[in-house]
Amino acid sequence: RKEVEQDPGPFNVPEGATVAFNCTYSNSASQSFFWYRQDCRKEPKLLMSVYSSGNEDGRFTAQLNRASQYISLLIRDSKLSDSATYLCVVPITGGGNKLTFGTGTQLKVEL
Amino acid sequence: DAGVTQSPTHLIKTRGQHVTLRCSPISGHKSVSWYQQVLGQGPQFIFQYYEKEERGRGNFPDRFSARQFPNYSSELNVNALLLGDSALYLCASSLMTASSGNTIYFGEGSWLTVV
Repeated sequence: RKEVEQDPGPFNVPEGATVAFNCTYSNSASQSFFWYRQDCRKEPKLLMSVYSSGNEDGRFTAQLNRASQYISLLIRDSKLSDSATYLCVVPITGGGNKLTFGTGTQLKVEL
Repeated sequence: DAGVTQSPTHLIKTRGQHVTLRCSPISGHKSVSWYQQVLGQGPQFIFQYYEKEERGRGNFPDRFSARQFPNYSSELNVNALLLGDSALYLCASSLMTASSGNTIYFGEGSWLTVV
């Protein structure tokens, strides 16, 4: 099993739709999780952190299921500007800024 | 305030050559790490440095090396370049090696093409 696994997509959705991405991780000892957003040919930027069962920030909701070892990201009322690749990230044991990234899920929001 | 800065932004090298990539972390950040992102993949961890010491190394060959200077800036060196080294090289900085709650910031990266 890969350390962090995501569906690569692409997910093509109309503007205003709700879309959800799932991510599974292999290290059951992981305590914190992140979703990063990466625009084409740009650096990843932190979207949300997840430390307990979940986190909500406006149209974005991240949920954590430790028993099943998966994290989800829900985007409500999709905007054209949400089009990007969403990376699921799990810190490597030992802390610091050592991270394991999934391959990313590509989202395309269309008119 | 300046973010994480990397140089050069783009470069083309020939197989067998050597490359040095540079990174300046955000002011006050003491931890720097390097990632390689091949097209269509997520970034892969290469090295982490904190207070000028190597604190972690990913699964990369010895052709890859790095160091951190007293001002916390860092260099990534790659020897004997292969075509497969073509990638976006990302530098990330953070305040310290604490675990959760430690926000990590990425630079815009250095695009390396090996021909």
